[in-house]
Amino acid sequence: DQQVKQNSPSLSVQEGRISILNCDYTNSMFDYFLWYKKYPAEGPTFLISISSIKDKNEDGRFTVFLNKSAKHLSLHIVPSQPGDSAVYFCAAQRPGGTSYGKLTFGQGTILTVHP
Amino acid sequence: DTGVSQDPRHKITKRGQNVTFRCDPISEHNRLYWYRQTLGQGPEFLTYFQNEAQLEKSRLLSDRFSAERPKGSFSTLEIQRTEQGDSAMYLCASSIGTANEKLFFGSGTQLSVL
Repeated sequence: DQQVKQNSPSLSVQEGRISILNCDYTNSMFDYFLWYKKYPAEGPTFLISISSIKDKNEDGRFTVFLNKSAKHLSLHIVPSQPGDSAVYFCAAQRPGGTSYGKLTFGQGTILTVHP
Repeated sequence: DTGVSQDPRHKITKRGQNVTFRCDPISEHNRLYWYRQTLGQGPEFLTYFQNEAQLEKSRLLSDRFSAERPKGSFSTLEIQRTEQGDSAMYLCASSIGTANEKLFFGSGTQLSVL
């Protein structure tokens, strides 16, 4: 049972344009969501997160939107840069102390930004 | 803060052999996690420690897998009698252990079982 899904295996955008990566989840208990970026041969690196009490969180070029009714979140990167080319994972967490750090990840989306 | 370090980076072994991986978390982090990632998938939770106590193990962690975190510092993950299906990237992460915080991941150990 894939509780977090990233239905687009890959995305290709031109430098300077917007990249939009999507993620859907099925478990309504999730209350905290994160995006990680992963380069080949490296571990995932945290990008941005959002709590379920918010619908938007922004950090520089990165903005995450959460639509709880649709169980959908998206990551917007504006403007996209070639260095953003990587695999992007969304992850979700349930509330409660025993759930901290127990993340459920999506399958990832490979983003390629062309110069 | 030197980050989370894992050793070795790569391990090639023959089926049936035992392997052990090491993870050194960020020094002030109380929680340490092990995840496994296979090709085309996201990381999957395996187990985690709060200081030296192993608090939860995923059903993905068969009896051939054992993890320890003596003295609440570094951790080891051992796989006994390896199988080809164990081939994966094994990721370690650490955190302080508070609500809504990010995990810091190491670079992982890539295991190939021949």
